[in-house]
Amino acid sequence: AQSVTQLGSHVSVSEGALVLLRCNYSSSVPPYLFWYVQYPNQGLQLLLKYTSAATLVKGINGFEAEFKKSETSFHLTKPSAHMSDAAEYFCAVSYSGGGADGLTFGKGTHLIIQP
Amino acid sequence: NAGVTQTPKFQVLKTGQSMTLQCAQDMNHEYMSWYRQDPGMGLRLIHYSVGAGITDQGEVPNGYNVSRSTTEDFPLRLLSAAPSQTSVYFCASSLNRGIEAFFGQGTRLTVV
Repeated sequence: AQSVTQLGSHVSVSEGALVLLRCNYSSSVPPYLFWYVQYPNQGLQLLLKYTSAATLVKGINGFEAEFKKSETSFHLTKPSAHMSDAAEYFCAVSYSGGGADGLTFGKGTHLIIQP
Repeated sequence: NAGVTQTPKFQVLKTGQSMTLQCAQDMNHEYMSWYRQDPGMGLRLIHYSVGAGITDQGEVPNGYNVSRSTTEDFPLRLLSAAPSQTSVYFCASSLNRGIEAFFGQGTRLTVV
């Protein structure tokens, strides 16, 4: 069964510092990979997705993620954190393309931005 | 476009009561699904549908029923609520596989 592991349930960074949220997937076959963001009391919004076209994927709000097959990782980064980035971030994997039927989510990482 | 609309936003049930969580989308999406979100567990797939009249079980289907009579609507039924079903429920839809899934705002359900 496909699975995804997010390292760190809470990550705290200072405003302006680098954001790094870690995600590893378990599979010998590269899946479709996604990062979603959830702001308080909101639904999930897609940040970016990897579909094998390019290993470095750029998303919204200045976020990007790099697919590394050798490490089975898809870590999310942002060069400079803003207060508005405080939210819950979910990594998700799919072998069916990522439609509404086939997403497996990690447990989430709560990003805290210190002023 | 309203996107994916869930009602109600909040609900408190007593153990053993039944209720239906509503989900509607106006994007003519074929794929719809229900997830539950629990602290420290991420989102887990309950049931999904790949088109009107077609439904299937996800990872945690026990205690829930679904049907898909129209493309727009995908209600989730709790026949006899249990405290273990206290959770936040999200409905999602997508045009097809390989296409971004859109999520509703969620329904926060408490079973006492």
